[in-house]
Amino acid sequence: RKEVEQDPGPFNVPEGATVAFNCTYSNSASQSFFWYRQDCRKEPKLLMSVYSSGNEDGRFTAQLNRASQYISLLIRDSKLSDSATYLCVVNPNTGGFKTIFGAGTRLFVKA
Amino acid sequence: GAVVSQHPSRVICKSGTSVKIECRSLDFQATTMFWYRQFPKQSLMLMATSNEGSKATYEQGVEKDKFLINHASLTLSTLTVTSAHPEDSSFYICSARGTGRDEKLFFGSGTQLSVL
Repeated sequence: RKEVEQDPGPFNVPEGATVAFNCTYSNSASQSFFWYRQDCRKEPKLLMSVYSSGNEDGRFTAQLNRASQYISLLIRDSKLSDSATYLCVVNPNTGGFKTIFGAGTRLFVKA
Repeated sequence: GAVVSQHPSRVICKSGTSVKIECRSLDFQATTMFWYRQFPKQSLMLMATSNEGSKATYEQGVEKDKFLINHASLTLSTLTVTSAHPEDSSFYICSARGTGRDEKLFFGSGTQLSVL
């Protein structure tokens, strides 16, 4: 089993749609969780951290379920500019050096 | 926010030559930096962890003699691809871990290496 697994893509959605991505992690001791966005041939950019209480940033909502060891990202009112690959990122433990990346989920938002 | 500078952004070289890629943390000290490679339509693959003042830690399957990492200061790590071959052509990205509670990663802008 991979340490971090994401929904296989691609997701093709129309503008204005709501889309959700899930990500599961295998290490129950993992401490920090993030969603990154990566555009083609660009570096990943932090989209948002994921907190235990869940957090929202505009059209984006991230949630963490420690019991089930998964995190989610919800995008509301999708825009064309949301088209990208979304990476689930897990830090296994505080102070640890190895950050684990999911394989990424590609999203295509179409007019 | 923290900034990581990586250059060059693009390199085209002949087979057999060596290529050096630099990664700098501009406004913070990074005792640990990471080097990744990414092939088209695939995710980031961690190659090695660069530790300031000590030897890098390489991931399984990554040849340390081929991918030389030097982290001589708290703001600079370099990756040298020695005797490059066409199969080394890839997108290489560095990152540095920020400080504080969230331990976010800050990425360089990446280097597209093409070996002819």
